[in-house]
Amino acid sequence: GENVEQHPSTLSVQEGDSAVIKCTYSDSASNYFPWYKQELGKGPQLIIDIRSNVGEKKDQRIAVTLNKTAKHFSLHITETQPEDSAVYFCAASIDGTASKLTFGTGTRLQVTL
Amino acid sequence: DAGVIQSPRHEVTEMGQEVTLRCKPISGHNSLFWYRQTMMRGLELLIYFNNNVPIDDSGMPEDRFSAKMPNASFSTLKIQPSEPRDSAVYFCASSSAGAGIYNEQFFGPGTRLTVL
Repeated sequence: GENVEQHPSTLSVQEGDSAVIKCTYSDSASNYFPWYKQELGKGPQLIIDIRSNVGEKKDQRIAVTLNKTAKHFSLHITETQPEDSAVYFCAASIDGTASKLTFGTGTRLQVTL
Repeated sequence: DAGVIQSPRHEVTEMGQEVTLRCKPISGHNSLFWYRQTMMRGLELLIYFNNNVPIDDSGMPEDRFSAKMPNASFSTLKIQPSEPRDSAVYFCASSSAGAGIYNEQFFGPGTRLTVL
């Protein structure tokens, strides 16, 4: 089955700096890659996603890039703010409706003042 | 909309007891997912339903775990008998699945289960 690896496990940045989280996947058939943000005591929430026919997608301060050849994708957060502090999960799916998601192990992002 | 509702939010029980976790998906959603989150194994899909029918239960760890969805607005995850290694946060999520459409999964707040 699919295996998703995520790095780093923890990341500390100063407010205003950029943060990058990287994931690799094993199944070349994977075609959908969402990113979820989980705040303390809450369930994960989708923040951005990308499909296999797109190389990059941006939404304000958040961007995701996908390299299908290398089977890796990354989350980029620019101009980080304290409210960006959370655990971020990448995921991959091979089915047509993104029903079966395989998640990475998570990255705890801490944005310091 | 109230979002996905889970109950209880916290459950503490003793080994060997039966545990039932409950979930109410977002109205109108036709897919429902149960996940388990632990430090060691991260977020794992246990089972998911489409139109109240179990589609994939390959993530269910053992026969001690069972899930039902008797109608579109309610699902349960039962553990019987419970063991200390079942201690985790259990999330329910729902989505409005459609063929060929990538559908966002909306997660509930989770149930933190502690088995002593």
